[in-house]
Amino acid sequence: SQTIHQWPATLVQPVGSPLSLECTVEGTSNPNLYWYRQAAGRGLQLLFYSVGIGQISSEVPQNLSASRPQDRQFILSSKKLLLSDSGFYLCAWSVRRGGVGYTFGSGTRLTVV
Amino acid sequence: SQQGEEDPQALSIQEGENATMNCSYKTSINNLQWYRQNSGRGLVHLILIRSNEREKHSGRLRVTLDTSKKSSSLLITASRAADTASYFCATDPDSNYQLIWGAGTKLIIKP
Repeated sequence: SQTIHQWPATLVQPVGSPLSLECTVEGTSNPNLYWYRQAAGRGLQLLFYSVGIGQISSEVPQNLSASRPQDRQFILSSKKLLLSDSGFYLCAWSVRRGGVGYTFGSGTRLTVV
Repeated sequence: SQQGEEDPQALSIQEGENATMNCSYKTSINNLQWYRQNSGRGLVHLILIRSNEREKHSGRLRVTLDTSKKSSSLLITASRAADTASYFCATDPDSNYQLIWGAGTKLIIKP
C-alpha cells in the first residue's frame, strides 16, 4: 500500500538558521509531489511541486527551496529562516494523471523564534 | 491561488444533526474533491466528484455538483463528535493536476 512519511512533526528553529524538511513516499512510482504551507486557521498555499526527479516548480517567490533527489523523496529547505516562515508545512503526493485524491503527510509545525 | 470558496467559514451544530457545507469555484474543472483536516494533522481525502457527475455518496457523506452554478455541497448526515474538523474543497481545473484549494469550513459538533 502507498504511504507517505513526513518529519519532523514539530520544529522550533531560531531566525537565521537553516531548515531541512523531508518527505518520502512508499508504494508508488513517478508520483507528483507537493509542498504546501498552511497558516493558522487558513487554507493551503502551494509552495512547490515536482513531476519528476530534479524537476521543481515554484509557485510563490520566497525564502524556501525544494529538491527532489530521488523519485520518492522531496525536501524543503532554507538557508536562513525568517520569522514569517513559521507555519504548518504539508507534503502530499498524487498520481501523475490525476483523477484521484491527494495523499498528505501528517505535517510539520515549524516555529521560527 | 484560491479558487474554491467554502461557506460557511464556521459551523456549529448538535450531534445527530446534518451538516451542510458549500463550495463555489470560478473556472471549468475536471473534478472537485473534499478533504477533512483534524486539528494539527494532515488532510484526508473524503470524496471526488467528476464534472459529469451530479451527486455522489460515501457512507454518511453526500456530495453534489452543479457545474452550471460552479458550486458543490458536502452533506454529512447524522453528525458525530468525531466529525469535528475543518473541511476543504479543491478543484482540478486542468490536466496538470494542480489542485486549487478553498479556505475551508470549520465544523464543530457539540455533544
